[in-house]
Amino acid sequence: GENVEQHPSTLSVQEGDSAVIKCTYSDSASNYFPWYKQELGKRPQLIIDIRSNVGEKKDQRIAVTLNKTAKHFSLHITETQPEDSAVYFCAANSGGYQKVTFGTGTKLQVIP
Amino acid sequence: DGGITQSPKYLFRKEGQNVTLSCEQNLNHDAMYWYRQDPGQGLRLIYYSQIVNDFQKGDIAEGYSVSREKKESFPLTVTSAQKNPTAFYLCASSMSGNSYNEQFFGPGTRLTVL
Repeated sequence: GENVEQHPSTLSVQEGDSAVIKCTYSDSASNYFPWYKQELGKRPQLIIDIRSNVGEKKDQRIAVTLNKTAKHFSLHITETQPEDSAVYFCAANSGGYQKVTFGTGTKLQVIP
Repeated sequence: DGGITQSPKYLFRKEGQNVTLSCEQNLNHDAMYWYRQDPGQGLRLIYYSQIVNDFQKGDIAEGYSVSREKKESFPLTVTSAQKNPTAFYLCASSMSGNSYNEQFFGPGTRLTVL
């Protein structure tokens, strides 16, 4: 089955700096890569996703890049703000595209 | 945040007892999922269902059981066979079983085995 590894497990940045979270996957057939954000005490919510037919996707301060050859993808957050503090999960689809496998999460702390 | 609910929010059980966690959605979604969340281990899939009266095992199904008799409901039973049941359980739903669809999560149930 699919195996998704995520690094780092924790990340602290100063407000206004950029943050990068990296993930690798094992199944070369995976073609959909969503990112979820879970604020403290709240449920995970989708913030951005990318399909394998594109290499990069942006939404305001958030961007995701995908390297299918190397089987890794990354989340980039620019001009970080305190409200960006949360746990971020990457994921990749698997099992004949019926489900997604999640990474272990990155706890991002933005220091004011 | 509305649309998918879980109850109860906190649940305590004694060792050797079965317990059922509720998950209900009014989003008219076909697919539903159960995840277990432990510190440092992310979200691990227990069971998923793409349509009523059908479900499949996820990555950690041992010690758990589910049913999908109604489109809106996907209850999870944690049996006494589950060796380490204390965890935070999240239910989710999506428009269809196609993995490209966004998953909407419930607020979760924290289960503690005493």
